[in-house]
Amino acid sequence: AQRVTQPEKLLSVFKGAPVELKCNYSYSGSPELFWYVQYSRQRLQLLLRHISRESIKGFTADLNKGETSFHLKKPFAQEEDSAMYYCALKDRGGKLIFGQGTELSVKP
Amino acid sequence: DVKVTQSSRYLVKRTGEKVFLECVQDMDHENMFWYRQDPGLGLRLIYFSYDVKMKEKGDIPEGYSVSREKKERFSLILESASTNQTSMYLCASGVGQGIVLTKNIQYFGAGTRLSVL
Repeated sequence: AQRVTQPEKLLSVFKGAPVELKCNYSYSGSPELFWYVQYSRQRLQLLLRHISRESIKGFTADLNKGETSFHLKKPFAQEEDSAMYYCALKDRGGKLIFGQGTELSVKP
Repeated sequence: DVKVTQSSRYLVKRTGEKVFLECVQDMDHENMFWYRQDPGLGLRLIYFSYDVKMKEKGDIPEGYSVSREKKERFSLILESASTNQTSMYLCASGVGQGIVLTKNIQYFGAGTRLSVL
């Protein structure tokens, strides 16, 4: 079965601390994975794609096929990073399967 | 800049009413999607469309239908609203080749928060 799991509903860290939002997936073959973000009172938007191997707003995510994970990381969290984060997997039909979401709260 | 516009930010309806949620995109995207967003459940796909008059069921189509008469507009219809359909509804669009999204990027609307009393 194709599935995305985000085990943490809420992650709370202090400003300047490292942050890691966990994402695990179930997929046979080569997956395509994404992180989407929704800031307060804004629309959901793409943050990054694993195929781009990019760093956006200081966030990176590495695909680990052995652990079937695609965790989102940032070395020093900022208050403006507070948002809802969704991990997504492209399914065989070409659609996106979203995880349950993790709310990141960065405290001053 | 891609624009996906949902006609209402907030809607309050009564049980049994027929409800229309409208979504318009201005980027000539082939693919359009309707999700519902619930705390702890993430985004769940209700229906999607990859062409005018084409529609496909998502993961939770029961109690919903859709209409896509024009490329830019994708409507979600609740035939007889029920309290368990109280939720945030998100519309999205993306460039596609048939059913497959090109680059797999979806652009989202601001959402419609529907309350069914």
